Amino acid sequence: GAVVSQHPSRVICKSGTSVKIECRSLDFQATTMFWYRQFPKQSLMLMATSNEGSKATYEQGVEKDKFLINHASLTLSTLTVASAHPEDSSFYICSAPTGQGSYNEQFFGPGTRLTVL
Amino acid sequence: GNSVTQMEGPVTLSEEAFLTINCTYTATGYPSLFWYVQYPGEGLQLLLKATKADDKGSNKGFEATYRKETTSFHLEKGSVQVSDSAVYFCALQGGTSYGKLTFGQGTILTVHP
Repeated sequence: GAVVSQHPSRVICKSGTSVKIECRSLDFQATTMFWYRQFPKQSLMLMATSNEGSKATYEQGVEKDKFLINHASLTLSTLTVASAHPEDSSFYICSAPTGQGSYNEQFFGPGTRLTVL
Repeated sequence: GNSVTQMEGPVTLSEEAFLTINCTYTATGYPSLFWYVQYPGEGLQLLLKATKADDKGSNKGFEATYRKETTSFHLEKGSVQVSDSAVYFCALQGGTSYGKLTFGQGTILTVHP
């Protein structure tokens, strides 16, 4: 199957710093990618839809100025957590569908664990 | 809007026991239904899917049938193994929302030898 990578896999930073997380589709092009946040022992919460060549679409309650998304190319989307605080600590996961249409399969990255001290 | 309600865990079973994890959904239109599995320290992997009513998805001994009349997609396996220990997520993808998945809360499964 298709492969989606994320980098870094783990990051620890001080409060107030900005952290960039990359999501790459390694063997296919993705005009759309999705960013999720997963709290311990809880489900995935969709944060935003990243669209190549246009602005990201954020879910209700997600701060656009806090979670900056850039879909730089057909294989790369980045999530920047601006001025991170301890409450931003979480597991961030991206996914990408492999094709057009409603029944396309999504492939998930391995996730990035962010810890803000 | 779309929603998925999943059986709460954690679920603890002995090896070779029968597994059922319940999943019900609410959605408009005709969604596709999925089960994803997340092994410790790994990303989500698609376990199986069904795209229309009465379809049965199956993989690695797991099965789930798309029941439109009961809006359910229960996951079953006849004989679990220690290696099946993981978190299982039920999810749906609405027909009008391109690629957007709605997840259930996840069920932690632990299988003991």
